Amino acid sequence: GQQLNQSPQSMFIQEGEDVSMNCTSSSIFNTWLWYKQDPGEGPVLLIALYKAGELTSNGRLTAQFGITRKDSFLNISASIPSDVGIYFCSLETSGSRLTFGEGTQLTVNP
Amino acid sequence: NAGVTQTPKFRILKIGQSMTLQCTQDMNHNYMYWYRQDPGMGLKLIYYSVGAGITDKGEVPNGYNVSRSTTEDFPLRLELAAPSQTSVYFCASSYSGGGNSPLHFGNGTRLTVT
Repeated sequence: GQQLNQSPQSMFIQEGEDVSMNCTSSSIFNTWLWYKQDPGEGPVLLIALYKAGELTSNGRLTAQFGITRKDSFLNISASIPSDVGIYFCSLETSGSRLTFGEGTQLTVNP
Repeated sequence: NAGVTQTPKFRILKIGQSMTLQCTQDMNHNYMYWYRQDPGMGLKLIYYSVGAGITDKGEVPNGYNVSRSTTEDFPLRLELAAPSQTSVYFCASSYSGGGNSPLHFGNGTRLTVT
């Protein structure tokens, strides 16, 4: 199956710090998606990327689709306690199917 | 709109028992999915459906069955529960599938098999 590597697995930061996480794939894809899962809930889409080199922001979140089309990163600036959760990258691997990375667990200390 | 609704929220099963996890959506989405989430392992696709009457296997279908008799409902059946099926199960739906249409997830069913 498709190899999708997400790092880091977990992060512990202080409120106000910036955060960066990334994903790499073993093949080239046309779509990168970033989801966030709040504790006890299902994931919610944060940002979708459709073009190599594309840089997209959503409030304090910024994501980029790598030029090689094999990687993507997500940055969170000036973190706040409600940023706590698990962040997943995701790829459209075939037809209507999405493959998810293993997630980055973010903890923000006030 | 309620979105995607999953029931029950929690369940404990004994080995060998069976159960059905219910999932219903009120957004008239054609595409529906079942994922399982194990700690530190992300989301693995079990089964999916591109419309009523059509289902297909995902990455980890063994031990599960699904049906899609209506657009709204996509139940997941466990026939002979095993400890390896202890997990959190998420149902999701989307309008057109793939990466062009966001997945809407339910809040999950936490299943323990002992």
